Order: sequence, then C-alpha cells, then structure tokens
Amino acid sequence: GENVEQHPSTLSVQEGDSAVIKCTYSDSASNYFPWYKQELGKRPQLIIDIRSNVGEKKDQRIAVTLNKTAKHFSLHITETQPEDSAVYFCAASNRYSSASKIIFGSGTRLSIRP
Amino acid sequence: EPEVTQTPSHQVTQMGQEVILRCVPISNHLYFYWYRQILGQKVEFLVSFYNNEISEKSEIFDDQFSVERPDGSNFTLKIRSTKLEDSAMYFCASTGTSGSSSEQYFGPGTRLTVT
Repeated sequence: GENVEQHPSTLSVQEGDSAVIKCTYSDSASNYFPWYKQELGKRPQLIIDIRSNVGEKKDQRIAVTLNKTAKHFSLHITETQPEDSAVYFCAASNRYSSASKIIFGSGTRLSIRP
Repeated sequence: EPEVTQTPSHQVTQMGQEVILRCVPISNHLYFYWYRQILGQKVEFLVSFYNNEISEKSEIFDDQFSVERPDGSNFTLKIRSTKLEDSAMYFCASTGTSGSSSEQYFGPGTRLTVT
C-alpha cells in the first residue's frame, strides 16, 4: 500500500547549523509533497510543499528537493534557530485524485542546541 | 483568515460509550477529512468525504466509525463504542473548491481520552 518513510526519527543540531530530513514514498501516483511542522499539542502546520513538476523549491531558510525517479524528497533548514525545534512530518498525496488523502511520514523530532 | 474549527478541544469518555467529534470546515470548501494521531506517533488518514458521501476510508475506519455532514456547516465523526485504543488526537481538515487544490487546512484537533 501507500507508504512514506522518514529519517531520522530524531535530529539534534547546533544553532546556526543546517538540518536535513529525508523521505521516500512508494506510490508512483503521488505528485504533491507537503512538509508540516508540529509543535506539542498543536495541529500540523504546512511550512512548504513541492509538486512533482518541480525539482527544488526554496522559501527563506527552508528548501525542499524532489527526485521523482528515486522517489526521494528532502527538507533542508539552514541557519537553524531555537524556534525551529519541533516535530517535522513529510507527506505525499495524489493531487489529481478527488478528495485525495495525505499520507504522512513517521516524523522527525528536531532539537536545536543553543 | 478563515480557519477550520473543532469542538470539543478535549473529550474524556468511558470505554463503550459513543462520542461525536465536531468540525466546522472552511465555508467554501468541498472536501473534508478526518485524521487521527496517537500520542507520539504519525498522523494517520481515517476518511475523506465529498458530495455527501465517503470518498475513501482507511483500514482504521471500521464499522464503529461514521461521518456525517448534518447541515451546511458541520462535519462530524462518530465513534459508536469507544475502545481504549481510540485515545488519540483527532484532526479534521478541509480543502478547496477543486480536486486540484491540494493544501488541506487542519483544525486544532480534539484530544479524545478513553478510560
């Protein structure tokens, strides 16, 4: 069935350093890849997304890359700050399927060390 | 900015009882979803709903679960006879006016505790 694998499960980086989270997906029909940030007890918040016709997208300190052939996609956070500490989820969806569900990865707990 | 709302924020119930979780999606959205997140785990898809019927449901969404859009604004998830393992955060989501609009807007969640 559809599955999204995410690594690492925990990540600790020094403030100012970069963080990279990697995901793979199984469903070839997936063409929309959102990334969510979730703080404790809160809803998942969309921070960036990428569609399958694009290989890379950047928004300030956050960038995502997508390799459709390998079914890999990654999140890169540069110049990390304490407020980046949270759980990050990658996800995949088929945006051309009506009422398309989102399949989430297992999450990465990111801690920024001051 | 319009938001998805959910009530209650926290529901405590005894095993075997029925619960109804309520959601008010964004007003012009057409596609509605329920997800759940067991504490410390990933967000899992339960069900999608469009045009007053279920579009897709996961294996989790068994006969104990049902969804309804009783009026033009509310979208509800009912669990008929709760089990301990139903304890989780339940998120409602909605998305826009066409199938190609992908971003799903999540509500703040209802924390369900089954004792």
